[in-house]
Amino acid sequence: QVQLVESGGGVVQPGGSLRLSCAASGFTFSNYGMHWVRQAPGKGLEWVTFIRYDGSNKYYADSVKGRFTISRDNSENTLYLQMNSLRADDTAVYYCAKDVGSGWGIDYWGQGSLVTVSS
Amino acid sequence: QSALTQPASVSGSPGQSITISCTGTSSDVGGYNYVSWYQQHPGKAPKLMIYDVSNRPSGVSNRFSGSKSGNTASLTISGLQAEDEADYYCSSYTSSSTLVFGNGTKVTVL
Repeated sequence: QVQLVESGGGVVQPGGSLRLSCAASGFTFSNYGMHWVRQAPGKGLEWVTFIRYDGSNKYYADSVKGRFTISRDNSENTLYLQMNSLRADDTAVYYCAKDVGSGWGIDYWGQGSLVTVSS
Repeated sequence: QSALTQPASVSGSPGQSITISCTGTSSDVGGYNYVSWYQQHPGKAPKLMIYDVSNRPSGVSNRFSGSKSGNTASLTISGLQAEDEADYYCSSYTSSSTLVFGNGTKVTVL
């Protein structure tokens, strides 16, 4: 079965950096685009970024453009999110998510990794 | 990119049908057949219920159905059950090559 396991979350000071990882299994990772989606405490879902199956194209929400970088290692079945210049409003649970393959829907989600930006 | 517009809450009695709307623009919902719907119970990750406007993933009850007219997509839950009480979000691909979510709808089973 599909499994997505995030790691790397924690508490970081404003202006700091953090890298999230997502270990994927149960499907052919190199065939699917992948997303990061976040959810601030008590708030709704916010799409963050998407990377195509082969890493050739990457797309970002305006709120993180220039600060966050998505990448993937298809040989290790792992997705990454490098987060720099973190702000208090980046505090959220970050979900790694698999694209459905047909048009930017998400069919599987990880359990989420909490990132807290606070001094 | 502004969030798609959903009603804050919808309620119904067991056995009834309810419909949740998701309104966007011609640059997202109206321009592509890439609308999805997700169910999220408290403290849990979202679950895909509908993708590409009206397709149901394997394992999702046929009580859930999706449709679209113009810039508004809809999720209908028929035969409402207690376990359907959750938050529901729509999403759509956009002309900027991004994904946008709705603001979410809390479904209450009376």
